[in-house]
Amino acid sequence: GEDVEQSLFLSVREGDSSVINCTYTDSSSTYLYWYKQEPGAGLQLLTYIFSNMDMKQDQRLTVLLNKKDKHLSLRIADTQTGDSAIYFCAETTMGSARQLTFGSGTQLTVLP
Amino acid sequence: DTGVSQDPRHKITKRGQNVTFRCDPISEHNRLYWYRQTLGQGPEFLTYFQNEAQLEKSRLLSDRFSAERPKGSFSTLEIQRTEQGDSAMYLCASSSLRTGSVGGEQYFGPGTRLTVT
Repeated sequence: GEDVEQSLFLSVREGDSSVINCTYTDSSSTYLYWYKQEPGAGLQLLTYIFSNMDMKQDQRLTVLLNKKDKHLSLRIADTQTGDSAIYFCAETTMGSARQLTFGSGTQLTVLP
Repeated sequence: DTGVSQDPRHKITKRGQNVTFRCDPISEHNRLYWYRQTLGQGPEFLTYFQNEAQLEKSRLLSDRFSAERPKGSFSTLEIQRTEQGDSAMYLCASSSLRTGSVGGEQYFGPGTRLTVT
């Protein structure tokens, strides 16, 4: 079955770049997403990438996809304390439901 | 605002009781999803509606769980005879086939946190 893996924790200093990594196993994954979850809140969609793309940039966020290695990363430039949250990688396929399969999340802590 | 809303935000119940949660999706979205999230984990898919039809259910959805979307707008998720293992955050998401990007991206509500004592 599908599996999505992420490292559990990342700490960075304010102003530095953060890179959150994700690997997935389903070679039929079509769309890959990054969501952000703050304490006690739902998930906020940050960005997504289609599987035929290598890179997508959206303001401070850059998504890189290595389809051969099934590796996805999210780079946050100029990380701010407000970026402290749990970041989830998720994938979906072109099946009818398009339900998301999530990783366990990476807790990003931004230190002043 | 027109985001996804869920009610209640928190529910504490005793083991064996029934509970019902409500989700109101973004108004023009025809797809609605329920997920469950336990502490330290990512959300896990439970079930999916397209309009009023429930088209897919995860094997996580035991026969104590039932979901409806009677008029293709809001949805309810009922858990009968709750067990302590049902304690989790229940998240609702919606998406649209007709609008938005071809990604069919899902937008999540704030969740209902269920605690079974």
